[in-house]
Amino acid sequence: GQNIDQPTEMTATEGAIVQINCTYQTSGFNGLFWYQQHAGEAPTFLSYNVLDGLEEKGRFSSFLSRSKGYSYLLLKELQMKDSASYLCAVMDSNYQLIWGAGTKLIIKP
Amino acid sequence: ETGVTQTPRHLVMGMTNKKSLKCEQHLGHNAMYWYKQSAKKPLELMFVYSLEERVENNSVPSRFSPECPNSSHLFLHLHTLQPEDSALYLCASSQDHGEPNTIYFGEGSWLTVV
Repeated sequence: GQNIDQPTEMTATEGAIVQINCTYQTSGFNGLFWYQQHAGEAPTFLSYNVLDGLEEKGRFSSFLSRSKGYSYLLLKELQMKDSASYLCAVMDSNYQLIWGAGTKLIIKP
Repeated sequence: ETGVTQTPRHLVMGMTNKKSLKCEQHLGHNAMYWYKQSAKKPLELMFVYSLEERVENNSVPSRFSPECPNSSHLFLHLHTLQPEDSALYLCASSQDHGEPNTIYFGEGSWLTVV
């Protein structure tokens, strides 16, 4: 079967760095997405990786290793507003998105 | 503001009621989706429409009935629901289905079945 694994919850301190990992096993691969979802709000797009390596976008970076079935989202200079759930999703060979259950990130002062 | 608008934001209904969720996208996209989001579970894809034609139905109970009258509007008709159907229902759209497109979500409709 197809499976996306990510930690259920993480806690970090304001101003610090946190890395949220995602491992996947899917039927084919057409890219990996990260979304941010604040409580009670729509998931919003953060990043898309289809090639190996690191993609940097401001304070957020996303890394992909296709051979290892692994990605991480790196958040730097954490702010209180970064408290949210972070969803990892992989697009399989049928262009269907397979979603992880999300990682709830709690930022403490 | 994601360009995808859902109404109502909150809905409480009895098991014998009939209600509908509405979604409208202002992005000029050709594909629209209904997802179910339950606490601590992955998003579940329910229905996919591409150019107003249903292309996927992931074994969803018949008490959920989608309707796509045009490429900008999507409805989810609800009848004789069960308490376990209580969840956040997310509408989404993307430029096309069947390609690695970014999808854009609405803010969801919180459904409580009593």
